[in-house]
Amino acid sequence: DAGVIQSPRHEVTEMGQEVTLRCKPISGHDYLFWYRQTMMRGLELLIYFNNNVPIDDSGMPEDRFSAKMPNASFSTLKIQPSEPRDSAVYFCASSGLTYEQFFGPGTRLTVL
Amino acid sequence: EDQVTQSPEALRLQEGESSSLNCSYTVSGLRGLFWYRQDPGKGPEFLFTLYSAGEEKEKERLKATLTKKESFLHITAPKPEDSATYLCAVQAAGANNLFFGTGTRLTVIP
Repeated sequence: DAGVIQSPRHEVTEMGQEVTLRCKPISGHDYLFWYRQTMMRGLELLIYFNNNVPIDDSGMPEDRFSAKMPNASFSTLKIQPSEPRDSAVYFCASSGLTYEQFFGPGTRLTVL
Repeated sequence: EDQVTQSPEALRLQEGESSSLNCSYTVSGLRGLFWYRQDPGKGPEFLFTLYSAGEEKEKERLKATLTKKESFLHITAPKPEDSATYLCAVQAAGANNLFFGTGTRLTVIP
């Protein structure tokens, strides 16, 4: 199994630009999670999906952030417009019948 | 509100010097407690899940234990390749998300 796949691995953009992060979960997993990791706040849950349906988006910082899961094998996290304080590493994770979550390699986002 | 506190924040050990990492938690009914390892520039890697007080799990030089208020990750005779950040997370009963602590950064010196 290829594991959770994220792209891009690194993204550098300027303030005000739109950023789209992508995730392919492990095949057969029906839960997908988006996290953000910073030195100050650690690993924070942004949103999670079950069977492609958003269940809890209470961690999404503000309306500039949105997430979609159009099918079982693909999800996006979009930031529009981006701000310097959005700079962080964004992780996608998936889980199946057991509760263990398996993480992707992350996308390191830098907003200048 | 769920809370997870890990200590120490950082730990330096000589190769072969055994020690323990602590994870104290407050959760409204525990479904599971999870340990992850994270190497620089990589995503967290799953190590263990513990479900009930008294449970223990082992993997190579690592052993995780659980009580009603805390979990310990014991590292026996560590090697430099054990250097990483170790994250603890809890999952409340009826929940699907994990709540993470801020981790313990372990450095094992040859």
